[in-house]
Amino acid sequence: AQSVTQPDIHITVSEGASLELRCNYSYGATPYLFWYVQSPGQGLQLLLKYFSGDTLVQGIKGFEAEFKRSQSSFNLRKPSVHWSDAAEYFCAVDPRRGSASKIIFGSGTRLSIRP
Amino acid sequence: EAGVTQSPTHLIKTRGQQATLRCSPISGHTSVYWYQQALGLGLQFLLWYDEGEERNRGNFPPRFSGRQFPNYSSELNVNALELEDSALYLCASSSLFRGRVGNTEAFFGQGTRLTVV
Repeated sequence: AQSVTQPDIHITVSEGASLELRCNYSYGATPYLFWYVQSPGQGLQLLLKYFSGDTLVQGIKGFEAEFKRSQSSFNLRKPSVHWSDAAEYFCAVDPRRGSASKIIFGSGTRLSIRP
Repeated sequence: EAGVTQSPTHLIKTRGQQATLRCSPISGHTSVYWYQQALGLGLQFLLWYDEGEERNRGNFPPRFSGRQFPNYSSELNVNALELEDSALYLCASSSLFRGRVGNTEAFFGQGTRLTVV
């Protein structure tokens, strides 16, 4: 079945440490890929997106993500996290399946920051 | 430029009632998505409208319905409310790549918090 998997439900890292959030997808063709962030009680904000081209994409707030076709992955990274990065992070996919295409979200990873 | 706006921000209904949630997309966007975010269940896709037509529907019962108006704003209606319908309902808008498959990124509103008591 087509799906988006975020294997880590909750991650805690120390402020200043590096971060990597995992995302895997299972679709036949390369979909469009997105990472969103949601602060408590808020809507979702787009961090970055991949449509084609360079497989390393830069986003807002110092985040980047790398598309790896061989691993069907689109992991989110940040070299040094800040306390304000504590939030829920969602990986999303647009399978590009024609006019019925829709954006599908992973289950999310909650990021906590240790002072 | 205004973002996606949703109203109301909070809504409290009793079981069996009907709820109507509204969404205004970003100017120029023709697609509107609705998602349900219940506690611990992530974002579940509800409905997708584009150019006034329902393009896709998630795995929800028929009492979840909606429509898109000529100005591309949208309503989500939930009939015969049940306690488990309590959730944050998020609306997003995007524009389709014209002549290509797929959408541009979706921009989200702040959501409507629906509480069924």
